[in-house]
Amino acid sequence: DGGITQSPKYLFRKEGQNVTLSCEQNLNHDAMYWYRQDPGQGLRLIYYSQIVNDFQKGDIAEGYSVSREKKESFPLTVTSAQKNPTAFYLCASSMPQGIWAGADYNEQFFGPGTRLTVL
Amino acid sequence: GQQLNQSPQSMFIQEGEDVSMNCTSSSIFNTWLWYKQEPGEGPVLLIALYKAGELTSNGRLTAQFGITRKDSFLNISASIPSDVGIYFCAGQLGYGGSQGNLIFGKGTKLSVKP
Repeated sequence: DGGITQSPKYLFRKEGQNVTLSCEQNLNHDAMYWYRQDPGQGLRLIYYSQIVNDFQKGDIAEGYSVSREKKESFPLTVTSAQKNPTAFYLCASSMPQGIWAGADYNEQFFGPGTRLTVL
Repeated sequence: GQQLNQSPQSMFIQEGEDVSMNCTSSSIFNTWLWYKQEPGEGPVLLIALYKAGELTSNGRLTAQFGITRKDSFLNISASIPSDVGIYFCAGQLGYGGSQGNLIFGKGTKLSVKP
């Protein structure tokens, strides 16, 4: 049963603590992404990785870190440097599709999300 | 960064009514995607559009890639209670690297009264 899993579903953190959110996919996708979602807002890109052992900062990378040691896994660490970490975090993956004349279509598939609350 | 303007922000409709929502941008996009998100869950891909003018259906959902490549529309016909959720548009500016990343609208929240 192929898909993307995120754990835990709910996470509570005390101020000053680092926490790591898990994201695993068995879709054999090359690319993986982390987004942050706040109420009434669209999805904002934190980090992305297009291939193993490589990742790039997105629009709001400050206070976050990632690793991509395996194709299947892309964990996100929310560090104490992130000033407002309470949010819904979404992981996604994609495989470039329909490669035609150099075009890569980025259909992303999402996990169920992790809701992080800072106490 | 780039932004997509999605409207309306919210809709309250009666069951059986048709729904229309759209996304616009000042930039040209190569791909438009439409997602639905239910409370506490991740977005689910509904429709993907690849060519200007393309009209694609998925059951009661129909989406169009605008001719100018700067907009896209999603229509839902004969709405039912399970259509409730937030609908997001997403656009892809180019191919490869950061250009291949998706830009998301802020969503249209749909409420359906039985």
